[in-house]
Formats: sequence, C-alpha cells, structure tokens
Amino acid sequence: DQQVKQNSPSLSVQEGRISILNCDYTNSMFDYFLWYKKYPAEGPTFLISISSIKDKNEDGRFTVFLNKSAKHLSLHIVPSQPGDSAVYFCAARPYSGNTPLVFGKGTRLSVIA
Amino acid sequence: EPEVTQTPSHQVTQMGQEVILRCVPISNHLYFYWYRQILGQKVEFLVSFYNNEISEKSEIFDDQFSVERPDGSNFTLKIRSTKLEDSAMYFCASRDRENTGELFFGEGSRLTVL
Repeated sequence: DQQVKQNSPSLSVQEGRISILNCDYTNSMFDYFLWYKKYPAEGPTFLISISSIKDKNEDGRFTVFLNKSAKHLSLHIVPSQPGDSAVYFCAARPYSGNTPLVFGKGTRLSVIA
Repeated sequence: EPEVTQTPSHQVTQMGQEVILRCVPISNHLYFYWYRQILGQKVEFLVSFYNNEISEKSEIFDDQFSVERPDGSNFTLKIRSTKLEDSAMYFCASRDRENTGELFFGEGSRLTVL
C-alpha cells in the first residue's frame, strides 16, 4: 500500500531552469508534508515542509505547493543548480503526531550544466 | 552542527548471524527511529522509540529485530538471525520535542547479508 507516491523515478533539468518534483498521497489523515534530499552514501536531509493548512511554503530557491483537493504536492526548485542533483523524497506525517513519517520512493534529479 | 552518527558504515555478514547497528542520536533529542531502504525501493519505517520503550513498529520489525538504548547515548538495532532480504541501508533518525515531522537522519549503515 503506497500512501505516498512519487511516480517519476528520475528527472533531468538544465542548469538555471525550474525543477518540479511531484508527489501524490492517498491518505487524508496527513497533517505535515516534508521533502528530504539524499546524496549518495549519505542519510536523507530535511529540505522544506508544509502544514496541511497551507497551500504554499517558500524557502529561498525551494517552494512547496500543496493541493489538498487533488492530494498532490510539488517541490519547485528555481533556478536549478548542479549541486541540487540528488534523490528527493516526499514524506508525510499522519495526524496522530508521534506516528512516523511515511516516505515515497524518491525521484532522482539530475541538473545538467 | 549536531548530527546523528551511525556505525558501522558498512557491514557484511553471513546469513543467520547476529548484527548490531549502532547510532548516537543528537544529544537533546527524545524520539528515535530506525528506517531502512532496500536498494531501489522506498525508505521504510521499522521502529520508533521514546522514553525507553518502543512506541511504534512496522510489520517488518518482527521478533528477529530488537532495539535498545543501553547507556543514554547509544541507540542500537539488533538483528538476531540475519536473512538475505535484510540486506539494506539502515538509517537511524532522531527528533526533539517539537513535532513538525522533521527528522534528523544519520548517514546510514549498509548491511550486506551473504
């Protein structure tokens, strides 16, 4: 049962352009959504999050959009840089608070110089 | 910047052997987790630990798995009798009292079962 789905296993983007990573979820009982970034041989690193009561959160080059009616969120990176090349995981936290995060399978982003 | 540290970075073991993976969470964190990622698959939750006891575990976390916080700093995951399918990257994570969902992950321990 995939509660959090990242349907694109990989994405290639030219340096300076926008990267859009997508995530869908099936459970309405999530209250926080997070994006993690993972480089090879490292653990996931928190990038940005959004509460379910918001539809947008921005932090520098990174913006996360949440569309609750579509159960869809996206991460926009603009402008993309070669150092952004990594695997990006979408994660969701159920309302019950201490229940652990549920992760998607990840999307590998390659930013080409 | 404080970080979660894990040892060993890579362990190779024979099927049926016991393995202990070690983690030192961030010192003021109260909630501890183990996740794993089988190659090419998603990051999967194994177990969470708070106040010296398991607070939640997944169906993956069967009787072959156990966790311990033996000395107030280390947080260990033990696999009693390893199977081939236990080969994965194991990530330890921790968080503080503020529950925004943000977890701090270690770099992972790669377990290879032969």
